[in-house]
Amino acid sequence: GDSVTQKEGLVTLTEGLPVMLNCTYQTIYSNAFLFWYVHYLNESPRLLLKSSTDNKRTEHQGFHATLHKSSSSFHLQKSSAQLSDSALYYCALNNNNAPRFGAGTKLSVKP
Amino acid sequence: NAGVIQTPRHKVTGKGQEATLWCEPISGHSAVFWYRQTIVQGLEFLTYFRNQAPIDDSGMPKERFSAQMPNQSHSTLKIQSTQPQDSAVYLCASSRDNYAEQFFGPGTRLTVL
Repeated sequence: GDSVTQKEGLVTLTEGLPVMLNCTYQTIYSNAFLFWYVHYLNESPRLLLKSSTDNKRTEHQGFHATLHKSSSSFHLQKSSAQLSDSALYYCALNNNNAPRFGAGTKLSVKP
Repeated sequence: NAGVIQTPRHKVTGKGQEATLWCEPISGHSAVFWYRQTIVQGLEFLTYFRNQAPIDDSGMPKERFSAQMPNQSHSTLKIQSTQPQDSAVYLCASSRDNYAEQFFGPGTRLTVL
């Protein structure tokens, strides 16, 4: 069945360093829609990025990701981490079936 | 647009009691999803409806959990005979369709003593 893997449970960074959160997925469907949601403490998860186009970079709020269907990946990146980026990040896959979320990666940015 | 509404925000039950959680999706959204969030498991899919019809309940613990969507404006998640391991934040989300962005409610924090 469909699945999403986020291999890092916790990423701790110093402010100013680059961010990369990994996301890989498995699906038999070619029409995969990939999402990154961000969940700040005491708020609801909300959309950060989405893509369904192969090899096209998508950007929002300083973050970017490129869907690579050849490697089934949709890694989240940012050039310079900010303290306010500390949150839980979920990668999700939508297609013909129920959405599948990864286990989430907690990003902790330190001064 | 008030967003997805969930009530109550917090619920405390005793072991063995029943808990009913409510969700009002965004008007016009055809898909409604229920998730459970815990520190250990992250965001677990429970079930979802499309146009009020149950589509996939593969994430639901079959024995004590049930979900309904009697009309397009609300869905309920019922947990019978609650157990301490049911303690979690239950999130409801809605979207225009199965491929679109999901909008999450604030969640219901269930604590089973």
